[in-house]
Parts: sequence; structure tokens; C-alpha cells
Amino acid sequence: GQNIDQPTEMTATEGAIVQINCTYQTSGFNGLFWYQQHAGEAPTFLSYNVLDGLEEKGRFSSFLSRSKGYSYLLLKELQMKDSASYLCAVTDSNYQLIWGAGTKLIIKP
Amino acid sequence: EAGVTQFPSHSVIEKGQTVTLRCDPISGHDNLYWYRRVMGKEIKFLLHFVKESKQDESGMPNNRFLAERTGGTYSTLKVQPAELEDSGVYFCASSPYLYRRDRINPNYGYTFGSGTRLTVV
Repeated sequence: GQNIDQPTEMTATEGAIVQINCTYQTSGFNGLFWYQQHAGEAPTFLSYNVLDGLEEKGRFSSFLSRSKGYSYLLLKELQMKDSASYLCAVTDSNYQLIWGAGTKLIIKP
Repeated sequence: EAGVTQFPSHSVIEKGQTVTLRCDPISGHDNLYWYRRVMGKEIKFLLHFVKESKQDESGMPNNRFLAERTGGTYSTLKVQPAELEDSGVYFCASSPYLYRRDRINPNYGYTFGSGTRLTVV
């Protein structure tokens, strides 16, 4: 079966760094997405990785290791507005998105 | 550019009733997707339209769910009759083209609507 695993909830302090991990087992792989979703809002695109390595975009970075079926999202200089759910999703061999259950990130002052 | 719009934002209906959800994709986006998220669980794929045709409806849970996209513009998802387990948030997304590895432009990929929160009581 297809499976995406990520922690249910994480807590971090404003100004700090947090790493959200995602492991996947899918039938085929055509890229991994990270989305941010605030309560009651649409998921918004954060990053996309299809090759191994680190992609940096401002305060957010995303890493992928295809051989290990592993990715992480790194958030630096955390701000209160970063409190949200972070969704990991993989496109499988049919280019369909397979979703993780999301990680709820709580930022404390 | 207007985003993906979904109506209604919330719906509370009784078991056995019918509900119709609507999704207006970004203009010109051929691909339209429906997803559902049940409380506390991951988002699940329901189906995918390319223009007015159903490309993949393997995620539709049963024949109580009917999706249409007449004219290849907006789409409706009808649940008839609704059951308690149908409660959840129904998301719609659109994209301008079917992904291929050499054509992926993730910055303009899937755009999601805010979802419709359906509660069946």
C-alpha cells in the first residue's frame, strides 16, 4: 500500500528552528510537495523536490532522499504566523497526490 | 487572477439528505481534482477531471457520490443520500496541465480552494 508518515504535532519557540520529517512508501515517485495549511484555509504551496538534496527558499528549506524515502521541511527564525499544519504529499507513478495526515506546528512565544 | 472557489464553505445536513458542492477552478485550468479530508486523517483523492472528462475516479468511495464537470468549467460533487461518515472537508484543486517530469512547474501547480466543511448529523 501507499503510505506517508509525518509527526502529528510539534511545538517550537518563536525565533527557533524546527525540522518536520516525512517518510513515504509509494508506488512510483514523481516528486514530493510540502504545503502549509492554516485552519479553515486552503493548503498553500511551500516547496517541491524531485531530485535528492536541499532546496532553500527564504526561511524554509526542504530536503529529499529518494533512496531513503525521506524528506524534511526546515523552518528557520520561526514566527507566530508559522503556526499551521504542514502537509507532505508525494506524486506517485500516476501523478496523483498521496497525502500525509499533516503535522500541526505550534509556535510558543 | 481569481483562485479556486468553492461553495458553500460550510454545510450541515441530516443523514439521508442530498448535498451538492461546487468548485470553480482557475480559468483555463483543464485539470480539476476533488479531495476529501476526514477529521484527523490524511487528505484522500476522490477524482480528477481533464476538461469535462473523468480522467480518474478511483478514489470515489461509492455510488452515492456523483461528480460532474459539464462544459469543462466548474464542477459539482453531489452526495445522495448523505451518511454520517461523509462528514469532512472537501477540497477542490485545479492545475493548468497534467504533470510530466519535464514539464513540472511547481510554482504554478495545484491550487487549492478553501474547502467545503460538510457535517452530516
